[in-house]
Amino acid sequence: EDKVVQSPLSLVVHEGDTVTLNCSYEVTNFRSLLWYKQEKKAPTFLFMLTSSGIEKKSGRLSSILDKKELFSILNITATQTGDSAIYLCAASSGGSNYKLTFGKGTLLTVNP
Amino acid sequence: NAGVTQTPKFQVLKTGQSMTLQCAQDMNHEYMSWYRQDPGMGLRLIHYSVGAGITDQGEVPNGYNVSRSTTEDFPLRLLSAAPSQTSVYFCASRSKVTGRADTQYFGPGTRLTVL
Repeated sequence: EDKVVQSPLSLVVHEGDTVTLNCSYEVTNFRSLLWYKQEKKAPTFLFMLTSSGIEKKSGRLSSILDKKELFSILNITATQTGDSAIYLCAASSGGSNYKLTFGKGTLLTVNP
Repeated sequence: NAGVTQTPKFQVLKTGQSMTLQCAQDMNHEYMSWYRQDPGMGLRLIHYSVGAGITDQGEVPNGYNVSRSTTEDFPLRLLSAAPSQTSVYFCASRSKVTGRADTQYFGPGTRLTVL
């Protein structure tokens, strides 16, 4: 059975801190690893990672994938209160029955 | 381009009632899916479709039916609502075009309460 595990499940930090969110996966015919941010509404897409060791970056957020160890991390530097959200990790598996398996999410709270 | 739209935004049902959650997309995406999200559970796949006329079960299909008569629409039917179906429901779509296939677009969600 395909599985995606995120840790920690929740995290409380102060503005300015740097955080690292973890995602490990076990899926058949792995294609890509995706990160989403969810703030009280629909998830919005952050990153898609398909190759090991290549960092994707968007402002203060960055992510990297390790396909040998089957995990990804999402880093957020200089956190702001607007970063407070649930961060979802999902692994896509290929073949004719494409599937996206989500982890349970990490609830990040950034206090001023 | 409206993207993925869902109606209604909120719904309260009594146990045993039936209803249909509507989902439409205007991006000509082949793949559409329904998820439910419960606190601490992430997103769980209910049903999905890889094209008009083709549907399949996801992780938690019991109590739900779907059909896909057009590319644009993918309604989710609750046959006889139960309190365990209280949840937030998201519809999503994505293209099957190589290079764009992995990015899924979500609708705004429907918050359903079953009393």
